[in-house]
Amino acid sequence: DGGITQSPKYLFRKEGQNVTLSCEQNLNHDAMYWYRQDPGQGLRLIYYSQIVNDFQKGDIAEGYSVSREKKESFPLTVTSAQKNPTAFYLCASSNQRELNEQYFGPGTRLTVT
Amino acid sequence: KNEVEQSPQNLTAQEGEFITINCSYSVGISALHWLQQHPGGGIVSLFMLSSGKKKHGRLIATINIQEKHSSLHITASHPRDSAVYICAVTSNFGNEKLTFGTGTRLTIIP
Repeated sequence: DGGITQSPKYLFRKEGQNVTLSCEQNLNHDAMYWYRQDPGQGLRLIYYSQIVNDFQKGDIAEGYSVSREKKESFPLTVTSAQKNPTAFYLCASSNQRELNEQYFGPGTRLTVT
Repeated sequence: KNEVEQSPQNLTAQEGEFITINCSYSVGISALHWLQQHPGGGIVSLFMLSSGKKKHGRLIATINIQEKHSSLHITASHPRDSAVYICAVTSNFGNEKLTFGTGTRLTIIP
């Protein structure tokens, strides 16, 4: 089955630690995205990548970093510089020719205490 | 003011009722999306439309480009329709990024 996987589903970390969230897709999509979802707010774009070895900052990139070494993988690192890291994180991907339609992963809920 | 506004924020209805969720946007768009998010958090794309109307089973989505407004309708609602419904738009500024509404939480009571 083709799709997007995110792991783990729930993640707990202590304040001051960096943490990396995994996102893998086997849809052969060129573009991948990371979003953050907070209660009462719409999804906000953190980073996106339209091709391997290239990525751009989204609207709220501060305190986050990404890499795109393989087409299938787009891991997100939440650094200790991110002031409010507790949130639900969603990864998505889309076909370069149909950038409008994005497919979403199941999400990772990160709690930092 | 958000670029994408949804109403209502919360909606509770009895099983079988006809449901309407509204979405208004303030920017020029190339496409509008309706997404469904279940309690577990995963998001499923329901519709992507740039004009007119689309139907899939009991779900109908319409868009009026001149009025910058879209509606999502659910006929013969069922408790399994309970979810958060999210409207999102792709602007026509060329960057293809999605801008999301805050969602409508729908609860269908048996």
